Amino acid sequence: LAKTTQPISMDSYEGQEVNITCSHNNIATNDYITWYQQFPSQGPRFIIQGYKTKVTNEVASLFIPADRKSSTLSLPRVSLSDTAVYYCLVGEGNTPLVFGKGTRLSVIA
Amino acid sequence: GAGVSQTPSNKVTEKGKYVELRCDPISGHTALYWYRQSLGQGPEFLIYFQGTGAADDSGLPNDRFFAVRPEGSVSTLKIQRTERGDSAVYLCASSPTPGQHTGELFFGEGSRLTVL
Repeated sequence: LAKTTQPISMDSYEGQEVNITCSHNNIATNDYITWYQQFPSQGPRFIIQGYKTKVTNEVASLFIPADRKSSTLSLPRVSLSDTAVYYCLVGEGNTPLVFGKGTRLSVIA
Repeated sequence: GAGVSQTPSNKVTEKGKYVELRCDPISGHTALYWYRQSLGQGPEFLIYFQGTGAADDSGLPNDRFFAVRPEGSVSTLKIQRTERGDSAVYLCASSPTPGQHTGELFFGEGSRLTVL
């Protein structure tokens, strides 16, 4: 049973805000929501993590509604270098990360 | 650099051969993880070390796969009698404290294994 569902791919123009929504209907009480970014030939890179409401850091924002059954990663003003695969993961503690296929974001000039 | 270092970056071997992949985590990180990634897929968990001990090896696909971390720092993933299906990128990650969902994992660039 898949823990998360996210779009396979998205396209955006440079300078736009990109929102990637992830569905996790069966999220458990102790689960956190984490997003990773992966460029070709590199390992995944942590972007942001949250439990509820909104989290913001220097690269992204994470919006989590009250029911926590979905989350949205928001990337402000994307550039060509943001072209990558973005993974949404949910889980608790030290259970293994389950990556899925992620969302392939293509930023177009 | 100060990141997770993996060697070799590329390894080509023949079916049936033995392979070792090395991971040098970030200094001071007590938790170390191995994942593997097949083409077009997300990474899949293999094993997690806390210190010298394997705390969770539930992701190892079979007994041909084994990993060690004898001094709590460098780890080696060992694959015996390699098969073509073992071809993948093997990723190592480390973190300062345990908790794959309660903190950040720092991944290396991976070791690409090709079994002919």
